[in-house]
Amino acid sequence: EPEVTQTPSHQVTQMGQEVILRCVPISNHLYFYWYRQILGQKVEFLVSFYNNEISEKSEIFDDQFSVERPDGSNFTLKIRSTKLEDSAMYFCASSEKAGFTGELFFGEGSRLTVL
Amino acid sequence: GENVEQHPSTLSVQEGDSAVIKCTYSDSASNYFPWYKQELGKGPQLIIDIRSNVGEKKDQRIAVTLNKTAKHFSLHITETQPEDSAVYFCAARSNDYKLSFGAGTTVTVRA
Repeated sequence: EPEVTQTPSHQVTQMGQEVILRCVPISNHLYFYWYRQILGQKVEFLVSFYNNEISEKSEIFDDQFSVERPDGSNFTLKIRSTKLEDSAMYFCASSEKAGFTGELFFGEGSRLTVL
Repeated sequence: GENVEQHPSTLSVQEGDSAVIKCTYSDSASNYFPWYKQELGKGPQLIIDIRSNVGEKKDQRIAVTLNKTAKHFSLHITETQPEDSAVYFCAARSNDYKLSFGAGTTVTVRA
């Protein structure tokens, strides 16, 4: 069964460092997303991406965050200067369609720990 | 924006009994309501979803109901088994791109 894959599964970094989280969405999907989950809290929307541009972003997704689809398969989330409060599980998701008919499929997540 | 409330936060049931989780949403424009199961250390897995043009959907031991007037939807798991133990999230989609999640319900099935 096709799945969304994410790397790394866990990354530990020092405050102020740059981090890149990588995702390979399901191959025929056109819409890509990043969500995050701080330990014990709800899953929160960060950003959606379609046709090589951001289609929507949340207030969490400030200037220190960026997303990119550098080639035909990868979808990355970059955090430029990490803060302690960026520690969370980051989930990539993809869907074939948007809106009413678009089922989201999530990856296993990348745990980011900022020290 | 959309606000999704989920209850209860924890639920313990005896194996074989039923489990019910309830969610409410705030945005009447929401038209898609998925339920996700999250096991420890894994990502959310879609288990069932319902769209605003139907009131109920069933898949084996899992069913979801939607009341658009009251803006609430529920997940029903019948004949619970130990492997049903997990965190369950409801979500609502009010625009093309964004899912808003509930806070999650930790379900424990006692053998």
